[in-house]
Amino acid sequence: AQKITQTQPGMFVQEKEAVTLDCTYDTSDPSYGLFWYKQPSSGEMIFLIYQGSYDQQNATEGRYSLNFQKARKSANLVISASQLGDSAMYFCAMREGARSGNTPLVFGKGTRLSVIA
Amino acid sequence: NAGVTQTPKFQVLKTGQSMTLQCAQDMNHEYMSWYRQDPGMGLRLIHYSVGAGITDQGEVPNGYNVSRSTTEDFPLRLLSAAPSQTSVYFCASSPRGMVGNTIYFGEGSWLTVV
Repeated sequence: AQKITQTQPGMFVQEKEAVTLDCTYDTSDPSYGLFWYKQPSSGEMIFLIYQGSYDQQNATEGRYSLNFQKARKSANLVISASQLGDSAMYFCAMREGARSGNTPLVFGKGTRLSVIA
Repeated sequence: NAGVTQTPKFQVLKTGQSMTLQCAQDMNHEYMSWYRQDPGMGLRLIHYSVGAGITDQGEVPNGYNVSRSTTEDFPLRLLSAAPSQTSVYFCASSPRGMVGNTIYFGEGSWLTVV
């Protein structure tokens, strides 16, 4: 069974500072994908970044990067140069790949990030 | 390209009433799923489908029914609404194949059961 753990219910960060949101996962499938989503107060789910289990390098997308430590089963999201608009709920999610992408996306409970001016 | 469309966006139901949340996608995606989001719980999978005629249960299926008669549509039925089903519901779709395929979410449906 797969499982995603986000241990930080809430985080505060000063504007322009970097912040790391923690995510650990548990799976026995050697093929899997890790996703991070942002949910602002308006409610929509916004895809941020993806990391595949076989990817050799950590994923990066603009100010977002994923600190992927496979042996520790962690996939932390790093947001550099935080902006007020980054205040939102952030979800880590995982999908196993053994059945060619047919497995559902499983989410962690989320971390609420508040950026302070 | 409309993506994933959920209707209605807001609904208030009385306990015991039935209703259907509609989900439609125009991207010819085989994979569709329904989640519910409750405070502090993240998104939990209710039901999912890997293609027309095929559905399976997720983590919290009780009280919900689904069917997949076409590739485009994946309705979620509440047979007898209960206050515990007050939640925000999200529909999602993606193509089959690679585990990293983009997953598209609808905008959510806010349901209150009184």
